Amino acid sequence: DAEITQSPRHKITETGRQVTLACHQTWNHNNMFWYRQDLGHGLRLIHYSYGVQDTNKGEVSDGYSVSRSNTEDLPLTLESAASSQTSVYFCASSEASGTSGYNEQFFGPGTRLTVL
Amino acid sequence: AQRVTQPEKLLSVFKGAPVELKCNYSYSGSPELFWYVQYSRQRLQLLLRHISRESIKGFTADLNKGETSFHLKKPFAQEEDSAMYYCALSEGSTLGRLYFGRGTQLTVWP
Repeated sequence: DAEITQSPRHKITETGRQVTLACHQTWNHNNMFWYRQDLGHGLRLIHYSYGVQDTNKGEVSDGYSVSRSNTEDLPLTLESAASSQTSVYFCASSEASGTSGYNEQFFGPGTRLTVL
Repeated sequence: AQRVTQPEKLLSVFKGAPVELKCNYSYSGSPELFWYVQYSRQRLQLLLRHISRESIKGFTADLNKGETSFHLKKPFAQEEDSAMYYCALSEGSTLGRLYFGRGTQLTVWP
């Protein structure tokens, strides 16, 4: 069955370290998204991609980067981790439909990141 | 500017009582609205979308363009409905970005 996976599921790191969170989907979806989920803020979009070699900044992109070298993967990199980046991170994907009305996003299980 | 507003962070009801989770949006075009749900220790999943006009798990939501609202309703809440609910908006393009509200944590007491 097609799915979307994230790794690691839990990560503890230190301030200043570079961290990469993996996201892999087997639906062959063109669209992929990274969110962070924080109490009181809900889901906030970090970066997103509409296809290979395409990346876009979301509303909270500072300190994060992504690259899209193939359809299946969109790794999220924290260049220099900060305590403010302690959060739960969700990856999602959706199909690029030829008509509107079909933008359902499928979410991964999440990665809980703690920056000490 | 916040495109989707969920005014209640927390909502508690007793089992069997009606429940309404509010969602208001700001968008001048023809939006597509969704409700996503996250049960404890599970991933987010789509609950329903306005274009389907369907009832899922007893929940319904009607898009009211005049009031720019998309409230989620259920006439008789169940304990298993306890979860975080997110309202989301798509600007109707094919590109797929969604704008999420801040979520409402629903607790249904026995």
